[in-house]
Amino acid sequence: QVQLQESGPGLVTPSGTLSLTCAVSGASISSYNWWSWVRQSPGQGLEWIGEIYHSGNSNYNPSLKSRVSISVDKSKNQFSLKLRSVTAADTAVYFCARGSGSYEDWGQGTLVTVSS
Amino acid sequence: EIVMKQSPATLSVSPGERATLSCRASQSVNSNLAWYQQRPGQAPRLVIYGASTRANGIPARFSGSGSGTEFTLTISSLQSEDFAVYYCQQYNNLPPWTFGQGTKVEIK
Repeated sequence: QVQLQESGPGLVTPSGTLSLTCAVSGASISSYNWWSWVRQSPGQGLEWIGEIYHSGNSNYNPSLKSRVSISVDKSKNQFSLKLRSVTAADTAVYFCARGSGSYEDWGQGTLVTVSS
Repeated sequence: EIVMKQSPATLSVSPGERATLSCRASQSVNSNLAWYQQRPGQAPRLVIYGASTRANGIPARFSGSGSGTEFTLTISSLQSEDFAVYYCQQYNNLPPWTFGQGTKVEIK
């Protein structure tokens, strides 16, 4: 089974950049096609952020597309999320997951708070 | 963007009883529909994919049905560990993939 672990700052200042990494263990990141990010605002539902193919192609949620980028680092067996110009509305638990559209493996999630 | 609507928002059920959750898509998603279970403080867990296929390790009391725009998740005999929030998600054709707002299954 594939294990995923998110890491990154738990606090980001408004207008700054949120940066998270998802470390993959139990398999090579190249062994599976798509890797994704999903977030959940406090007490709210799930929102798809975007996904990346192991070769580098990516898809993003149109609502975030102008601010988001996802990259993959095969040498470190990890993929990353950057979200620019954050506001309080970006406060959420961020999950990384394996797959595109349906996700069998998830990270535990990491809470990122946007506050000064 | 395809909008997913789940009903009811909250479902109160006694242990051992059947629970039926609904999910409706704003346009056809064929059978590209997943269901997730989320317990407090945990990541979502895939329960059903392809509208009706149970994910690895999911007990047979969970079943999914439907295609097109109308879908149902049925839990035949609720166990204590089944009380959670359930989300549907469509992944038809092209992104963005979208989730429903969730149904909370609580103990009656």
